[in-house]
Order: sequence, then structure tokens, then C-alpha cells
Amino acid sequence: NAGVTQTPKFRILKIGQSMTLQCAQDMNHNYMYWYRQDPGMGLKLIYYSVGAGITDKGEVPNGYNVSRSTTEDFPLRLELAAPSQTSVYFCASSDGQGLNQPQHFGDGTRLSIL
Amino acid sequence: GDSVTQMEGPVTLSEEAFLTINCTYTATGYPSLFWYVQYPGEGLQLLLKATKADDKGSNKGFEATYRKETTSFHLEKGSVQVSDSAVYFCALSDTGAGSYQLTFGKGTKLSVIP
Repeated sequence: NAGVTQTPKFRILKIGQSMTLQCAQDMNHNYMYWYRQDPGMGLKLIYYSVGAGITDKGEVPNGYNVSRSTTEDFPLRLELAAPSQTSVYFCASSDGQGLNQPQHFGDGTRLSIL
Repeated sequence: GDSVTQMEGPVTLSEEAFLTINCTYTATGYPSLFWYVQYPGEGLQLLLKATKADDKGSNKGFEATYRKETTSFHLEKGSVQVSDSAVYFCALSDTGAGSYQLTFGKGTKLSVIP
């Protein structure tokens, strides 16, 4: 069972470069999420999607963009990388049929901006 | 807004010791409560959950009881093992959010020594 798959696992960017973090899930979940995890700060929600074609901002959306053209994929785009975006990024999905449905997480992408 | 506060770590215990990690929350609606665990280099995994007051979630020897009167969801285990070394996150999902977003605590790092 693949679950939630994130690529790449590691990436180093220079300031001002752009990149896309990929996320795919094979559980047919409607809800998908992007979080960033900074040391000692827990997880902060960047963007989320409740279904194909629908996205919305979370707590810390500045500097990021997302799209949801299919149920399976939810890529996260960094347009102009800044040192403040150095973090570990996690994608998650859930069935979304009730608030007691757990979220399933990928293994994360560790991103460094130098 | 919603928030989750959990005890700061790191916590270091000897094998077979009793574990308690405190978690309290504030929420506008009627939240579901979760504990997630993150092993080194991996994403978060659901450990246990409780969806209404007085529910007890349990898994792998861990337990937590949803206490509405004290707005708490403390994690306990009677006898920890070295393999329990990980970071533990308390989280809630609130009806008021409308998107089944999770609000996380900052995490508590547990180290169990032989």
C-alpha cells in the first residue's frame, strides 16, 4: 500500500529559485493538506483542498501556491525561494467524511534554501 | 481560535517507566482529539483518537481519555520501551474549521534509554 507519496525527499535550493514539491495519494481521499514543520514549532497548515479543483489557504500560505487538478495529486509550488522557507514539508490526506477521520501523512520533503 | 498545548520536552525515561504527556486544548466547536507519533525520518502516524467526551482511545499500550471538563487529552503508557522513542503530537479537528483541519501541539520528544 503506497498511501501518500512525496517527492523529492531532500532538496537544496538557492535563494530566488523555484520548485514544485510533489504529493500523490492512492486512497481516493477527497481532502489533502500541505504542512510545514519547523523545529520546536509543530506543524503549520499551508494550503488544503477539499476536492479536485478546490483549494484554500491555511495558516501560513504566503510564498506558496497549490493546484488540485486530480483527486490523486496535490503539488506545492515555491515561486521565489527564501531562507525562511527552509523546513520539512508534509503532505497529508483524509477521507473527510467526518472530523474523526485521521489524516495520513507522507514521509516528508526536507528543503533547504541557501 | 483553536489551539493545543502540550508539555514541553524532551522527556527521557528508563525502559519500563510510566509515561504521561500532558495535552490541553481550546476549541470553538466539538472537536475530535488525536495523538500522532513521528519516528525519526518519517511522517506522522495516527496513534489513537477519541471523538467525544469520556471516550478513551488506545493503541499499542498507549491510552488517552477525552476530558471535556478539563479540556485535556493526556497520553499515558504503563511501561515504555526503547522502540517508543519518538516525537508525540497532540492534535484536534474541530467542526468550526469546516475543512477537518488539524491543529497541532508543538510536539514532545520522548527518549527511552535501556
